[in-house]
Amino acid sequence: SQQGEEDPQALSIQEGENATMNCSYKTSINNLQWYRQNSGRGLVHLILIRSNEREKHSGRLRVTLDTSKKSSSLLITASRAADTASYFCATDAITGGGNKLTFGTGTQLKVEL
Amino acid sequence: DTEVTQTPKHLVMGMTNKKSLKCEQHMGHRAMYWYKQKAKKPPELMFVYSYEKLSINESVPSRFSPECPNSSLLNLHLHALQPEDSALYLCASSPYPGTADHTEAFFGQGTRLTVV
Repeated sequence: SQQGEEDPQALSIQEGENATMNCSYKTSINNLQWYRQNSGRGLVHLILIRSNEREKHSGRLRVTLDTSKKSSSLLITASRAADTASYFCATDAITGGGNKLTFGTGTQLKVEL
Repeated sequence: DTEVTQTPKHLVMGMTNKKSLKCEQHMGHRAMYWYKQKAKKPPELMFVYSYEKLSINESVPSRFSPECPNSSLLNLHLHALQPEDSALYLCASSPYPGTADHTEAFFGQGTRLTVV
């Protein structure tokens, strides 16, 4: 089952612009993570924010988390053509002795020259 | 070594075949996962192993049978699959399962499975 809904489903911007993606989820979480996927291959971890954190930065990435609204956003600043990919949020929850990492619906980002 | 290695990269199998997907990691991670991903959809969790024990089974049909022989290896045995099972199968691993210190997962490149 999918934990998160992301919007927009697709986003097309010009190189140099900022891209913002939003994620909403339904249950309590241990942390929330963002991943990137190129061309339907493996996912690459971008950034993790814990449930007691509100904002985190890593390079051109900024992620926010609002646990009261069960939502998160990912901002990519000064986008590049190489940022073209699908982006997924994933919620991490501890259940039954293991961690359940559940992905949102994803945002397809296209950065044009 | 921060890699998760999946073999084979591509697999075509008939509905009466038995095949296995393999996944290996040497990062000392004690959680390993199988995901199924259809085109233009998010990965769907299938199974989670924590400390070599099956901790989560997302009501996956019995024609998919996971196995974790040791802390570095994860297999997915396939039998009597249907064409709708064609998908990208992703393996992942992560450290510190079952704790609040749990961090990110590392994914393999996947096995693209076609059932004919």
